[in-house]
Amino acid sequence: DSGVTQTPKHLITATGQRVTLRCSPRSGDLSVYWYQQSLDQGLQFLIQYYNGEERAKGNILERFSAQQFPDLHSELNLSSLELGDSALYFCASSPWKGGSGYTFGSGTRLTVV
Amino acid sequence: EDQVTQSPEALRLQEGESSSLNCSYTVSGLRGLFWYRQDPGKGPEFLFTLYSAGEEKEKERLKATLTKKESFLHITAPKPEDSATYLCAVQADYGGSQGNLIFGKGTKLSVKP
Repeated sequence: DSGVTQTPKHLITATGQRVTLRCSPRSGDLSVYWYQQSLDQGLQFLIQYYNGEERAKGNILERFSAQQFPDLHSELNLSSLELGDSALYFCASSPWKGGSGYTFGSGTRLTVV
Repeated sequence: EDQVTQSPEALRLQEGESSSLNCSYTVSGLRGLFWYRQDPGKGPEFLFTLYSAGEEKEKERLKATLTKKESFLHITAPKPEDSATYLCAVQADYGGSQGNLIFGKGTKLSVKP
């Protein structure tokens, strides 16, 4: 157990739907990162939050959004889902803004049918 | 554009047959280079961080080295349990507090008994 908790582990939904993925960071970590991993693209950075504030944005689609709450857990919202959104979504946390020493969760496998 | 290229894509070894994995990178200011191990369906597991050319780190049968343009992960006398995908990532120095990592696509290592 890495200490980073992601729920749910698996999610199957239809095209056009909206889903929410949840992440609880390791105790004491203030930064949360979201990554998408697909077979052909590898791990792609989506977005970073630090202590409730958005810190950096990667290749995140406009249909996707995220937030970090006062208790530091984070949610990634995916809407108007397409088949191509099927992937593993990972959350990682670290103590610092700079990001050294990431710990990854076990991921949420999203399947869009 | 900052990027990371790993080679080979896949590597098959016999138990005890030592080899090296390559990670070449181009980044505008390197803050750190990271190696992770990922087992199927699981989140990446942190192995090493390297910060400057000439630095080396070791853990059991693994040794990571860093030059100004590439890093190597040397595997000495591998065992079947070393089979996994090994990911290389860099953290660029954007002058701020972003901590996102840029990942390569990984090398899938299979060690046969």
